[in-house]
Amino acid sequence: AQTVTQSQPEMSVQEAETVTLSCTYDTSESDYYLFWYKQPPSRQMILVIRQEAYKQQNATENRFSVNFQKAAKSFSLKISDSQLGDAAMYFCAYRVNFGNEKLTFGTGTRLTIIP
Amino acid sequence: DADVTQTPRNRITKTGKRIMLECSQTKGHDRMYWYRQDPGLGLRLIYYSFDVKDINKGEISDGYSVSRQAQAKFSLSLESAIPNQTALYFCATSDHRGRGEKTQYFGPGTRLLVL
Repeated sequence: AQTVTQSQPEMSVQEAETVTLSCTYDTSESDYYLFWYKQPPSRQMILVIRQEAYKQQNATENRFSVNFQKAAKSFSLKISDSQLGDAAMYFCAYRVNFGNEKLTFGTGTRLTIIP
Repeated sequence: DADVTQTPRNRITKTGKRIMLECSQTKGHDRMYWYRQDPGLGLRLIYYSFDVKDINKGEISDGYSVSRQAQAKFSLSLESAIPNQTALYFCATSDHRGRGEKTQYFGPGTRLLVL
């Protein structure tokens, strides 16, 4: 069974600095997607970024980028120039590309931005 | 207007009562999902639907039932609510038609308290 592990329950970063959130996963599949979702206090689940496993290039969305290490089954999220609005729970999620295709989530990392 | 809406946003009910949570989407997506979020845990899949005639159980379906009334509507029922069903419930949709991107997009969530 696929599992997703986020080993950092909480992280904090100074405003304007860079922070990296860690995620590892376990799967025997080769064709899958990885995602980072953000959940602010409003509790909405917001897609931050996604990565297709067969693409070697790391995904980037403005200040958000990932470091995808397929062999190590690692998928970290880097937030550059942190802003107060980045404060939220961040969830890493995995989905196989064919078949069930359900999302498997990690337990989340709470990110605090220090002004 | 939001693409994925959930009603109600908050609900308090008593043990043994039957309640229904509703989800509607205007994204035109074919697949819909119900997840549950508990404190300290990631989201867990309750049920999912590939289309109106295709309903599937997720990892924690006991005590729940669903109905896909139309492509745009997917409701979750608790036949006899119990306190450990107190949680935040999310509906999600994804597009798996043709070249659809398959990414899941979430509604705003329903906070349910069972007394």
